[in-house]
Amino acid sequence: QVQLQESGPGLVKPSGTLTLTCAVSGGSVTSGNWWSWVRQPPNKGLEWIGGVYHSGGTNYNPSLKRRVNMSVDKSKNQFSLKLTSVTAADTALYYCARDFSSSQGFDYWGQGILVTVSS
Amino acid sequence: DIQLTQSPSSLSASVGDRVTITCRASQTPSTFLNWYQRKPGSAPKLLIYGTSTLHSGVPSRFSGTGSGTEFTFTISNLQPEDVATYYCQQSHNIPFTFGPGTKVEIK
Repeated sequence: QVQLQESGPGLVKPSGTLTLTCAVSGGSVTSGNWWSWVRQPPNKGLEWIGGVYHSGGTNYNPSLKRRVNMSVDKSKNQFSLKLTSVTAADTALYYCARDFSSSQGFDYWGQGILVTVSS
Repeated sequence: DIQLTQSPSSLSASVGDRVTITCRASQTPSTFLNWYQRKPGSAPKLLIYGTSTLHSGVPSRFSGTGSGTEFTFTISNLQPEDVATYYCQQSHNIPFTFGPGTKVEIK
């Protein structure tokens, strides 16, 4: 059973960089799946941020592309999200998730981590 | 971007009822339309992928159908444990997008 666990600071200052890591257990980050980040701001909908493949390939949401970087650390079996120049609008519950079998949705999710952008 | 709308935004039904949710897309996601269940305090759970394929371990009372830009999700025999918010999501075009959700409650 694959399990995902997000970690990172729960509070980030405006104009700073939000960095989150997702640890993968019960499976390998090199399994052939894409690995994604999804967020939900308070009282708003779910937003796909982007995805990363173990080879380093990435797909980003164009609305965030200028500020997003994702990477995979095979040695630690984890993947990461960096979001730069954050504002209060980036306050959200952030999830990491596994893309299931060639763009057929997300079958495993982390529990989510709340990140607040505030001074 | 493919925009997804869902109707209704919420519904209340009795145990044993048949419940139907509609997801409409601004352009066709082909068959790459997925449905999730999300209970309070939990991450979304994949129920149906590829429009109509039940994900592993999902009860058969859940089903999905559709084509083009209109898709339907059905719970055939509503159970108390089905109280949740249901989301459609398209994985055909980048960026992947989600519908706004439909909250299902028990009368």
